[in-house]
Amino acid sequence: GAVVSQHPSRVICKSGTSVKIECRSLDFQATTMFWYRQFPKQSLMLMATSNEGSKATYEQGVEKDKFLINHASLTLSTLTVTSAHPEDSSFYICSAIPDRGRHYGYTFGSGTRLTVV
Amino acid sequence: AQSVTQPDIHITVSEGASLELRCNYSYGATPYLFWYVQSPGQGLQLLLKYFSGDTLVQGIKGFEAEFKRSQSSFNLRKPSVHWSDAAEYFCAVGRGRNEKLTFGTGTRLTIIP
Repeated sequence: GAVVSQHPSRVICKSGTSVKIECRSLDFQATTMFWYRQFPKQSLMLMATSNEGSKATYEQGVEKDKFLINHASLTLSTLTVTSAHPEDSSFYICSAIPDRGRHYGYTFGSGTRLTVV
Repeated sequence: AQSVTQPDIHITVSEGASLELRCNYSYGATPYLFWYVQSPGQGLQLLLKYFSGDTLVQGIKGFEAEFKRSQSSFNLRKPSVHWSDAAEYFCAVGRGRNEKLTFGTGTRLTIIP
């Protein structure tokens, strides 16, 4: 089945620094990947749609200069939280779907817990 | 725009009892519907999905869901829950392949002995 690997699983960074989170599709190609943010005991909020070879599409209210998305290949999308602040602390999850073959549903990574101190 | 409502924030069920988690969606056309489960601190695991065809969908771990267009619902059911089913359950709707998903607010399931 489709597997999505997300790294790191946990990261603690100092306020003002940047953090990069990777999302890889291990056994399939994905032109489109999605980045979500989840606050404690809340649902997933879509941040942006990542498109290979083109600019990401951000949801309303998401700062594209704060959350940089790069989808440089058909198997890798990265989310960089720039100049992180404590309010950026959250659980970030990516998802992807194979470009071809049966639609098995969106596969999610295991998430990244970001803590900004 | 599509939306999803999960009316029950928290449900407590005895082990061995049956379960039904409610999900209502709002979307003009035939939606792509999903149920996901999330354990604390983990990503989401797909339980089942509906795209078209048979409105009763079987999933993993003994779960099933029924698509009812007239009620705009996609309720999740399990005849007998196990303690390991305790988790957060999310219903989601999409417009099509490679389209973004909209999630409900989730239902937290607690299992008591």
